[in-house]
Amino acid sequence: DIQMTQSPSSLSASVGDRVTITCRASQSISSYLNWYQQKPGKAPKLLIYAASSLQSGVPSRFSGSGSGTDFTLTISSLQPGDFATYYCQQSYSALGYTFGQGTKLEIK
Amino acid sequence: QVQLVESGGGVVQPGRSLRLSCAASGFTFSSYGMHWVRQAPGKGLEWVAVIWYDGSNKFYADSVKGRFTISRDNSKNTLYLQMNSLRAEDTAVYYCARDTSDILTGENWFDPWGQGTLVTVSS
Repeated sequence: DIQMTQSPSSLSASVGDRVTITCRASQSISSYLNWYQQKPGKAPKLLIYAASSLQSGVPSRFSGSGSGTDFTLTISSLQPGDFATYYCQQSYSALGYTFGQGTKLEIK
Repeated sequence: QVQLVESGGGVVQPGRSLRLSCAASGFTFSSYGMHWVRQAPGKGLEWVAVIWYDGSNKFYADSVKGRFTISRDNSKNTLYLQMNSLRAEDTAVYYCARDTSDILTGENWFDPWGQGTLVTVSS
């Protein structure tokens, strides 16, 4: 199975900050990497697909990069509604679409 | 608009069975693969199962293999998850999600997701 490791597990930041979350795969997954945002009590929401493509309707302050084993999600200027938990997910292997453990982004 | 609505969750005793449903609307259901993903209380996301658009292929997480069965009825625009031999560790919110893929690259992602249905396995 492909393991996905996110860092950090939690992060405190202020409105307006630039934030980067990292996701590492246990083997190369090319660009088969997606990012989701989840707010408490809500379903996950797709932000970035195929490592760097912004989902329609998602603000441009969100961006994704990387390929192979190392990926990043960047929020260029945090807004109040961005405080949530973020998950990466690999879709390279149809035998198991593993998620990272999540990064909880909290207000400082 | 595209919508997925799960139902069928509830409280069930260990060893018993439960069937979840996911009603799809706003898109051509028979053209998309579908997934179940679960989230135990206070925990992260765990992929459970996938079914191809035509039901021809199904894959499962090791944690549910042999106990859970994913299926679909394209005439009813509905996805199912039959859960047998339930365990306490199956307690979770269960989400259904549509698989969307890039035909050229094969990359795929989950969008949208339903609101989830809570399954509690307890005696």
